[in-house]
Amino acid sequence: NAGVTQTPKFQVLKTGQSMTLQCAQDMNHEYMSWYRQDPGMGLRLIHYSVGAGITDQGEVPNGYNVSRSTTEDFPLRLLSAAPSQTSVYFCASSYTRALTGNGAFFGQGTRLTVV
Amino acid sequence: SQQGEEDPQALSIQEGENATMNCSYKTSINNLQWYRQNSGRGLVHLILIRSNEREKHSGRLRVTLDTSKKSSSLLITASRAADTASYFCATVPAIQGAQKLVFGQGTRLTINP
Repeated sequence: NAGVTQTPKFQVLKTGQSMTLQCAQDMNHEYMSWYRQDPGMGLRLIHYSVGAGITDQGEVPNGYNVSRSTTEDFPLRLLSAAPSQTSVYFCASSYTRALTGNGAFFGQGTRLTVV
Repeated sequence: SQQGEEDPQALSIQEGENATMNCSYKTSINNLQWYRQNSGRGLVHLILIRSNEREKHSGRLRVTLDTSKKSSSLLITASRAADTASYFCATVPAIQGAQKLVFGQGTRLTINP
């Protein structure tokens, strides 16, 4: 089925470890983004990309890196995990850069716990 | 900081009643969108209203936008148990180069059978 696929669904890391959260979409969307969702905080934008080779920071980028080598994939890297990065992470994509079309499509989320 | 603030934070009603959720935002916007999130799942786009629109309908959903008050409301009519979820408003700021959705904190809606 077409959509946004995130892997893994669950992950436990030790403080200081690094890992990559994968995100892939098969809708040929230009725009992709990563959010984190914490209780009572809604969703906060980490990084986003308006096309292959182009990335930019969102509201809470510290501790995270992204790259966009292809239209389909937008991985999120945690460089050195900290307990404050315990959260649910969502990847989203959209057909247009201006987000004026049919809104964004979201993956099912990755629940990350850092101990 | 969050662009949107939603009210109420939680709402519990009986099946068949109407549910109204409100969203306020701080800056001028390109458009405003509403999303639904079922427990443990990703967000699903419900409806988008542009800054030059005042009202929009989609099935049992009605969205209004008042740009002078920087506020929007989502009305779900004839609620069903399956409408139980969290609802988020999200804005696309009307700032040159702003290409992002800014979310509110959400309203948790419970429909009691």
